Amino acid sequence: GNSVTQMEGPVTLSEEAFLTINCTYTATGYPSLFWYVQYPGEGLQLLLKATKADDKGSNKGFEATYRKETTSFHLEKGSVQVSDSAVYFCALRRKGGSYIPTFGRGTSLIVHP
Amino acid sequence: EAGVTQFPSHSVIEKGQTVTLRCDPISGHDNLYWYRRVMGKEIKFLLHFVKESKQDESGMPNNRFLAERTGGTYSTLKVQPAELEDSGVYFCASSQVQGNTGELFFGEGSRLTVL
Repeated sequence: GNSVTQMEGPVTLSEEAFLTINCTYTATGYPSLFWYVQYPGEGLQLLLKATKADDKGSNKGFEATYRKETTSFHLEKGSVQVSDSAVYFCALRRKGGSYIPTFGRGTSLIVHP
Repeated sequence: EAGVTQFPSHSVIEKGQTVTLRCDPISGHDNLYWYRRVMGKEIKFLLHFVKESKQDESGMPNNRFLAERTGGTYSTLKVQPAELEDSGVYFCASSQVQGNTGELFFGEGSRLTVL
């Protein structure tokens, strides 16, 4: 079946540090890939997505590239801010079938001033 | 435009009691999903409505869970009787279209604590 594996957190960084949160997936066919973010006290919201191999999703300084050969969709940001502190969820939606999104366990990011 | 709203935000009940969670999706969104996240683990799919019909309820853990969406608007998820392992955060999400590229819009979640 479909699954998403994320690196365990929390990830603790100083402001302006480089961020990478790893995400790999298992799915039949070629799914669409997503990163959602949950800020404290809020619901999940879409951060970025990529719908086919080699696509790069980007938003708010975050980027992730859909790598079919390594079945990965790692999230990166060149310089994190305190306001980026949140829980980040990697997710996939399979093409065909029920399209039910599958989520990872989430990675907590804590950014210190 | 109002987002997805969930009620209550937090519920504390004793084992054996009943709890009903409510979700109001974004107006016009036919697709409504329920998910659950147990502490630190992945967000797990429970079920999917298209309007008032259950499209997929393969993630419902057992028959103590009952979901309804009368009239295709808001949805309720009842847990009866609640067990300790039902504790977690229950998320509701809605979307306008099906398909694999669409975005889900989430509520803030209902945290359930079963003592």
